[in-house]
Amino acid sequence: QVQLVQSGVEVKTPGASVKVSCKASGYSFPTYGINWVRQAPGQGLEWMGWISPSSGNRNYAQKVQDRVTMSTDTSTNTAYMELRSLRFDDTAVYFCARDSGDAEYFDYWGQGTLVAVSS
Amino acid sequence: SYVLTQPPSVSVAPGQTARITCGGNNIGSKSVHWYQQKPGQAPVLVVYHDSDRPSGIPDRFSGSNSGNTATLTISRVEAGDEADYFCQVWDNSSDHPYVFGAGTQVTVL
Repeated sequence: QVQLVQSGVEVKTPGASVKVSCKASGYSFPTYGINWVRQAPGQGLEWMGWISPSSGNRNYAQKVQDRVTMSTDTSTNTAYMELRSLRFDDTAVYFCARDSGDAEYFDYWGQGTLVAVSS
Repeated sequence: SYVLTQPPSVSVAPGQTARITCGGNNIGSKSVHWYQQKPGQAPVLVVYHDSDRPSGIPDRFSGSNSGNTATLTISRVEAGDEADYFCQVWDNSSDHPYVFGAGTQVTVL
């Protein structure tokens, strides 16, 4: 069965960086894109970007494009999302989510990683 | 960028029908996808391409889309259906292609 398992809680100070991992299993990792979606406390879902594990092509949301890097390691079937220059309003649960076959929606999600930015 | 509008909350008695709307400009020309999110959990896809259900999703969940409104319908509502529901479209004309509605909290009375 398809599973996306993310790394654990992170607590960071403003200005620091965080790198969240998402390990995939149960399917051919290169075949499907991986997206990152975040959810601030009590808020909705915000798409951050997408990466293709096979080609390395990326597409980042304008809001974070200057501070985010998404990467994959096909030898370990793992996707990564690094966010730099953290601000208080980056506090959120970060989800990885697999592209559907037509890449119009997300068919499987990781369990989420809480990133708390606090001084 | 494309905007999706959902009511903040919907309340429904057990056994009744809940209808959650998602408004957008000519949304009927797009495919709409719906996710259920329970507290502390990741979203789960419940309807895709307007009205298709992933395997394992009960047929009590159905969707429709026409004009400026898409609707997720939950029939014979159960206590376990209490959750937030988000609609989502793919807008390939934008640099922000995956657009979510703000979510609707469904309360089972």
